[in-house]
Amino acid sequence: EPEVTQTPSHQVTQMGQEVILRCVPISNHLYFYWYRQILGQKVEFLVSFYNNEISEKSEIFDDQFSVERPDGSNFTLKIRSTKLEDSAMYFCASSERSYQGNTEAFFGQGTRLTVV
Amino acid sequence: AQKVTQAQTEISVVEKEDVTLDCVYETRDTTYYLFWYKQPPSGELVFLIRRNSFDEQNEISGRYSWNFQKSTSSFNFTITASQVVDSAVYFCALSAETSYDKVIFGPGTSLSVIP
Repeated sequence: EPEVTQTPSHQVTQMGQEVILRCVPISNHLYFYWYRQILGQKVEFLVSFYNNEISEKSEIFDDQFSVERPDGSNFTLKIRSTKLEDSAMYFCASSERSYQGNTEAFFGQGTRLTVV
Repeated sequence: AQKVTQAQTEISVVEKEDVTLDCVYETRDTTYYLFWYKQPPSGELVFLIRRNSFDEQNEISGRYSWNFQKSTSSFNFTITASQVVDSAVYFCALSAETSYDKVIFGPGTSLSVIP
């Protein structure tokens, strides 16, 4: 069964460093998402991406964050200068169509980011 | 504003008991989607169901059933004859017409099924 793959599963980085989280969405999917879950808290939407541009973003997704689809398969989330409060599980998701198109998003297994 | 409330933070049941997880949502949009996701201890998010606002028919899938009531803005989830493998955090979520790609998750309900 096709799945969304995220690498690495766990990343530890020093405060102030840049980090790139990688995702390989399901191959025929067109919509891509990043969500964040601070430990023990709810899942929060960060950004959605379609047709090589951001379609929606939350207030959390400020200038330190960026997303990119550098080639035909990867979808990345870059955090430019990490802060302690960026420590969280980051989930990538993809869907064939947008949520209004009566389809669900498939989530990756997550990348746990720890900023020290 | 859109919001999802799951009033039950933690629930414990004994195996084989039925359990209902509550979800109440708020939106001004007339068209929206509601979801339930399961997050087992391993951490991944597993999609369970999507329901659109025009379909109030209840759904049953094996031991799982969902009760959608627009009149009370609720989308409750029942597990019948619970099993230890059902132990997880369950999230209710909402995606509304004005911002379809932004899915709002509830705070989650942690379900423990005790053998």
